[in-house]
Order: sequence, then structure tokens, then C-alpha cells
Amino acid sequence: DGGITQSPKYLFRKEGQNVTLSCEQNLNHDAMYWYRQDPGQGLRLIYYSQIVNDFQKGDIAEGYSVSREKKESFPLTVTSAQKNPTAFYLCASSRVGEIPHNEQFFGPGTRLTVL
Amino acid sequence: GQNIDQPTEMTATEGAIVQINCTYQTSGFNGLFWYQQHAGEAPTFLSYNVLDGLEEKGRFSSFLSRSKGYSYLLLKELQMKDSASYLCAVMDSNYQLIWGAGTKLIIKP
Repeated sequence: DGGITQSPKYLFRKEGQNVTLSCEQNLNHDAMYWYRQDPGQGLRLIYYSQIVNDFQKGDIAEGYSVSREKKESFPLTVTSAQKNPTAFYLCASSRVGEIPHNEQFFGPGTRLTVL
Repeated sequence: GQNIDQPTEMTATEGAIVQINCTYQTSGFNGLFWYQQHAGEAPTFLSYNVLDGLEEKGRFSSFLSRSKGYSYLLLKELQMKDSASYLCAVMDSNYQLIWGAGTKLIIKP
């Protein structure tokens, strides 16, 4: 089955620790995205990548870092510099170039709680 | 700035019809998406509109008026499983999605 996987579903970390969230897709999509979702707010874009070894900052990139060494994988590191890291993190992927309908497919999400 | 507005919460009765509105102000327009998101789960794609008018897909329909910066999602024959949040998102001139905060739909028997 094609899809996007994120692990773990729930993650707890102590304040001051870096943590890496995984995202893997087997849809052969070129573009991948990381969003953060907080209660009462829309999805906010953290980083995105449209091709291997290249990525761009989104609206709220401060305190986060990513890598795109493989087409299938787009891990997100939440660093200790992120002031309010507790949130629901969603990874998505899409085709590139099939404008205008490049629908994004989402993974199941990781709920990060920093204690 | 860019802005997407949707009602925070709506309540409807099983078997009825509900319309969820979305208004937007964005830098450019390359289409409007509706997604459904059950609590704690991933959003799933429902519809896409880029031209004015109504797109029908089973019990769900989506309407767009570009001149008014307005869209709605129409859900017919409501079922309990339709209880979810409905997210409106607009693709701007940079082909990035701008998301609304979502409308939580509560279905009552």
C-alpha cells in the first residue's frame, strides 16, 4: 500500500532536548512538507522540499531543521531553540508540476509533548 | 496579509444538510481545497475548485466564487461519521497552501 508513515504517534521529551520526527513516503512524490497544528489554528508550514538535497523555510522555521537526503524521507528535528514545541506535527507529500491540482497527502501525525 | 476565515464550530442533525463557508484573501489564487480531518488523525482530501461554480462528488459538493473570495462545502444526508473538522486551504501565487483554522462539525442524532 502506498502512503506516508510518521513515527512515533506520540513522543515525550524533556525541555532542552532535541528530538527528530521521522516521515517516510512510498508514493514517489517529489515534494514533501512539514506542518505544525495547534488547537484553534490552521496548519502552519515549517519546511518544505521539492527535490532531494534542497529544502525551503516555511512560515515558522525558527527552532526547526530538516534534511532531504533521499526522495522517500524528510525527517524534522525540533531543537531546544523552539520556544513552544508541544504540538501535533503533520508530514505531507505531493507531486510537483501537475499544476494546478497537486493535492497533498498527509501522514498520521506525531503528537509531541515537551515536559 | 493572507487570511482564510471559516466558522469555528457548527452543529447539524443526522440526515440533514449543512453548508460550511470559507472566505479568503490571498496573494494570488491557484485553487481552493477542502480537507476533512477526524480528531487526532491526518487531513484527507475532499475537493478542489479552481474555476467558479459547483463541483459535486457524491454527498459532498464544493462551490467557488473567485470574484467574491468565497467558497462553501455542502454536505448532504449527514451521517454520524461526518463529525470532523473541515479545513479550507487556498493555493497562493507561490503554489503554497494557506490554511484556515478549520470548522468543527458536530452531528447530533
